Amino acid sequence: GNSVTQMEGPVTLSEEAFLTINCTYTATGYPSLFWYVQYPGEGLQLLLKATKADDKGSNKGFEATYRKETTSFHLEKGSVQVSDSAVYFCALTNTNAGKSTFGDGTTLTVKP
Amino acid sequence: DTGVSQDPRHKITKRGQNVTFRCDPISEHNRLYWYRQTLGQGPEFLTYFQNEAQLEKSRLLSDRFSAERPKGSFSTLEIQRTEQGDSAMYLCASSSGLAGVPDTQYFGPGTRLTVL
Repeated sequence: GNSVTQMEGPVTLSEEAFLTINCTYTATGYPSLFWYVQYPGEGLQLLLKATKADDKGSNKGFEATYRKETTSFHLEKGSVQVSDSAVYFCALTNTNAGKSTFGDGTTLTVKP
Repeated sequence: DTGVSQDPRHKITKRGQNVTFRCDPISEHNRLYWYRQTLGQGPEFLTYFQNEAQLEKSRLLSDRFSAERPKGSFSTLEIQRTEQGDSAMYLCASSSGLAGVPDTQYFGPGTRLTVL
């Protein structure tokens, strides 16, 4: 079956530091890959996505590249802000197969 | 275009009571999903609908859980005889579900259930 593994948190950074959150996956076929962000007490917001190998998803300064050879989709940002403090989830969906499989989330805290 | 909405946002109930949650998807989205999220975990799939048809149910969905989407628009999730282990955030998501198009799910704010 499908699975997603995220680096364990929590992650604490100073403002303007470089961020990497690792995500690797196991899936049949050719899944689409996603990063979602969840702020306290809220639902998940789509941050970025990539639908095929070597695609790069980007949004709000965050980037992730779909690496089929390493089955990875690591999230990066060059300079984090306090407002980026949240829980980040990596997820995959098999094309046309419906349900998504999520990692356990990584909590990011950015200090001024 | 409004996003996915869920009602109520919070529900506190006593063990043994029945509860019902509602989800309104993004208009014209064919697919609707229910997930459950417990503290410190990622969302776990419960069930999903393509229009009014319930296409898949997780083994997590015990006989006490039932979901409907009678007209292919809004959906309800009912939990009968609630147990303390049912305490969680219940998330709804929707997607266009178009054939051949990579599916992107958009989530609502969730309903937080607390069973006393």
